[in-house]
Amino acid sequence: GENVEQHPSTLSVQEGDSAVIKCTYSDSASNYFPWYKQELGKRPQLIIDIRSNVGEKKDQRIAVTLNKTAKHFSLHITETQPEDSAVYFCAAEAGNMLTFGGGTRLMVKP
Amino acid sequence: KAGVTQTPRYLIKTRGQQVTLSCSPISGHRSVSWYQQTPGQGLQFLFEYFSETQRNKGNFPGRFSGRQFSNSRSEMNVSTLELGDSALYLCASSLGTGRLIYGYTFGSGTRLTVV
Repeated sequence: GENVEQHPSTLSVQEGDSAVIKCTYSDSASNYFPWYKQELGKRPQLIIDIRSNVGEKKDQRIAVTLNKTAKHFSLHITETQPEDSAVYFCAAEAGNMLTFGGGTRLMVKP
Repeated sequence: KAGVTQTPRYLIKTRGQQVTLSCSPISGHRSVSWYQQTPGQGLQFLFEYFSETQRNKGNFPGRFSGRQFSNSRSEMNVSTLELGDSALYLCASSLGTGRLIYGYTFGSGTRLTVV
């Protein structure tokens, strides 16, 4: 089955800096890659996703890049703000189910 | 459009007891997946139901079971509870058809504490 690895597990940045979270996946048939943000005590919420026919997608301060050849995708957050502090999960779709990475705890210091 | 509804929100049980959690998906969604999330841990996949059939299963002991009803509502059951079963149990619903997972949305979860 699909295996998704996510790095780093924790990331601390200064407010205004950029943050990058990377994921790799194993199933070359995967072609949908969403990212979820989970704030403390809340449910994971979809923040951005990308499909395999696209190499990059941006939504304001958030962008996701996909390299299908290397089987990795990344989340980029620019101009980080304290409210970006949360746990971020990447996921890859295979066989009509999502497999999640282990999560990255992002801390944005004011 | 109502979101994914999980009940109850909080639950305290004693070791050895059993528990049933409920998940009502978004209207029109036919797939319900269940996850266990422990403090500091990721999302551990339990199982997925689609059209009343278990379609995928994670690596959990047989004490964890589930089912889905004709209206797509799903329940999961944990028997002979252990302290290590204390966790946030999340369900997610999606259309479940086609090559892509459209509208994969999580509920707020049920926080289970086993004492």
